[in-house]
Amino acid sequence: SQQGEEDPQALSIQEGENATMNCSYKTSINNLQWYRQNSGRGLVHLILIRSNEREKHSGRLRVTLDTSKKSSSLLITASRAADTASYFCATVNSMDTGRRALTFGSGTRLQVQP
Amino acid sequence: NAGVTQTPKFQVLKTGQSMTLQCAQDMNHEYMSWYRQDPGMGLRLIHYSVGAGITDQGEVPNGYNVSRSTTEDFPLRLLSAAPSQTSVYFCASSAFGTGELFFGEGSRLTVL
Repeated sequence: SQQGEEDPQALSIQEGENATMNCSYKTSINNLQWYRQNSGRGLVHLILIRSNEREKHSGRLRVTLDTSKKSSSLLITASRAADTASYFCATVNSMDTGRRALTFGSGTRLQVQP
Repeated sequence: NAGVTQTPKFQVLKTGQSMTLQCAQDMNHEYMSWYRQDPGMGLRLIHYSVGAGITDQGEVPNGYNVSRSTTEDFPLRLLSAAPSQTSVYFCASSAFGTGELFFGEGSRLTVL
């Protein structure tokens, strides 16, 4: 079962514009993470936000978390062609203390046009 | 520092054949896991391990077997390959308490 659902499924923007991706999830969580996947490659961790945090920044990335709405957003500012990739949110269920399993959404495909 | 290494990168099998996907990490991570990635379905957890000698099932374990004899290695065995196991497989590891997963580059498997 998929915990996180990203929206939109695909996004095409021009270089320099901002890109916003949203994620909704279903259960109580310990943390929410965002990953990036370039075509044909493995996933790379971008940022982790804990359930008691509301906003986090890392370089050009800004992540927000609203646990009351069970949603998160990832903002990439001043996008570059190199940001073209798929972006996934992933959550750790707060009841799943043993497995520490990340449950992934189906991802947002971001295309940044030069 | 190699991180997480998966082999092979590509494999074609016939239905009923068996094979092992290898995964090794050099970061001394206690936690290792296998995911499969299918179009439109994100990644789904197959099996995981929280340390040498300890393994457990994830969301989609049927048809797969794992073992963890060392901290470094976590092979995934397909017992009798089926076309439904055509997928891209990812091995990932993490250290306790960090939450961040480190992924390998993936193994693309096609079962005919």
